[in-house]
Amino acid sequence: GAGVSQSPSNKVTEKGKDVELRCDPISGHTALYWYRQSLGQGLEFLIYFQGNSAPDKSGLPSDRFSAERTGGSVSTLTIQRTQQEDSAVYLCASSLQFAAEQFFGPGTRLTVL
Amino acid sequence: GIQVEQSPPDLILQEGANSTLRCNFSDSVNNLQWFHQNPWGQLINLFYIPSGTKQNGRLSATTVATERYSLLYISSSQTTDSGVYFCPAGGTSYGKLTFGQGTILTVHP
Repeated sequence: GAGVSQSPSNKVTEKGKDVELRCDPISGHTALYWYRQSLGQGLEFLIYFQGNSAPDKSGLPSDRFSAERTGGSVSTLTIQRTQQEDSAVYLCASSLQFAAEQFFGPGTRLTVL
Repeated sequence: GIQVEQSPPDLILQEGANSTLRCNFSDSVNNLQWFHQNPWGQLINLFYIPSGTKQNGRLSATTVATERYSLLYISSSQTTDSGVYFCPAGGTSYGKLTFGQGTILTVHP
């Protein structure tokens, strides 16, 4: 079956602009996670969704970051007023349920100029 | 939260050699996975192994949860095995995975 998909694959933006990153999880997966991978910080957790609710937002680095999930499926990660330190690869993962095996998408490479 | 340490940080092999990668974690886990990140950045699932032993072809993994470590064995390595190997672990906090710095494996022909 289809895996986790993310769009766009690459995004170049100017400092101060807002960006939206999209994640389509594997069909039927109730848990959805956002992570980001950067040279300085490695791979770090951002936010977790169970269904449409986000019980764990502890990894969001600032209030410029927000995410939502609708219909228990697609999720959007929004970064407002982007800064150069936001440049990273943003990865989405989904799993059948909490603590089950996670499957990752190909990521969105964000570059803030 | 959980901390994950991986060793060695770098490993260089000749094709055909065997290797063992190690992962130590700081607390009880209910999720531990091994991934291979290929040169294009895709994280490829190798094993979901919070405990026990599994094998898949040339690869096998063992997690000893009571001693808080996991091992990944690669036999008869191939150049396509090159990349970064991660063993993120998840505790009781909603299953989020905590990653270590990874092991960079380079296999020369």
